[in-house]
Amino acid sequence: QQQVKQSPQSLIVQKGGISIINCAYENTAFDYFPWYQQFPGKGPALLIAIRPDVSEKKEGRFTISFNKSAKQFSLHIMDSQPGDSATYFCAASTDPYGGATNKLIFGTGTLLAVQP
Amino acid sequence: KAGVTQTPRYLIKTRGQQVTLSCSPISGHRSVSWYQQTPGQGLQFLFEYFSETQRNKGNFPGRFSGRQFSNSRSEMNVSTLELGDSALYLCASTVDQTDTQYFGPGTRLTVL
Repeated sequence: QQQVKQSPQSLIVQKGGISIINCAYENTAFDYFPWYQQFPGKGPALLIAIRPDVSEKKEGRFTISFNKSAKQFSLHIMDSQPGDSATYFCAASTDPYGGATNKLIFGTGTLLAVQP
Repeated sequence: KAGVTQTPRYLIKTRGQQVTLSCSPISGHRSVSWYQQTPGQGLQFLFEYFSETQRNKGNFPGRFSGRQFSNSRSEMNVSTLELGDSALYLCASTVDQTDTQYFGPGTRLTVL
């Protein structure tokens, strides 16, 4: 129930293409879904996040699509660039306003390689 | 604003020793969370502190402990180190009353 399942494990995309990474969850108490980007030797950096009350959120070339009924969410990277090559993690947590804590449950990560 | 800082960045210890890692959150952030990252288990939640109180704890043995000081700085301690404790230990601080967590660069612990 606490798991977040992420796919694919690795992804190769041509420069200018669209990268799509998918995540699925079981716990309906999850109320916050961030995506993190991590480069080798660095800590994860927050990319974009969404709450279940919206179906899509876009920030620049990054878009989260959220399907509450299917309990799935995905990250779309438009016009993928070699500089986007990194590991991407989806995550989920419950709403701290409800008294829960800031505990993030992470997916297993997707290694993205954007070829020039 | 300065980001989350963690010290030391790299650490080499031998089995049986203990280690203390330090984390300074972003100024004004009162919540600090710790995570362990390994190739096999991925990113796993260790514990979270808010205003010097532990609010939640992950599924790790009692050898892993932490604390938070009045200035929100946090430390985590691992006693009786095992080879499997080799990992990147990440600290994250959270904007008050939000979910937004910002991670530090991590401390790379190697246990020989």
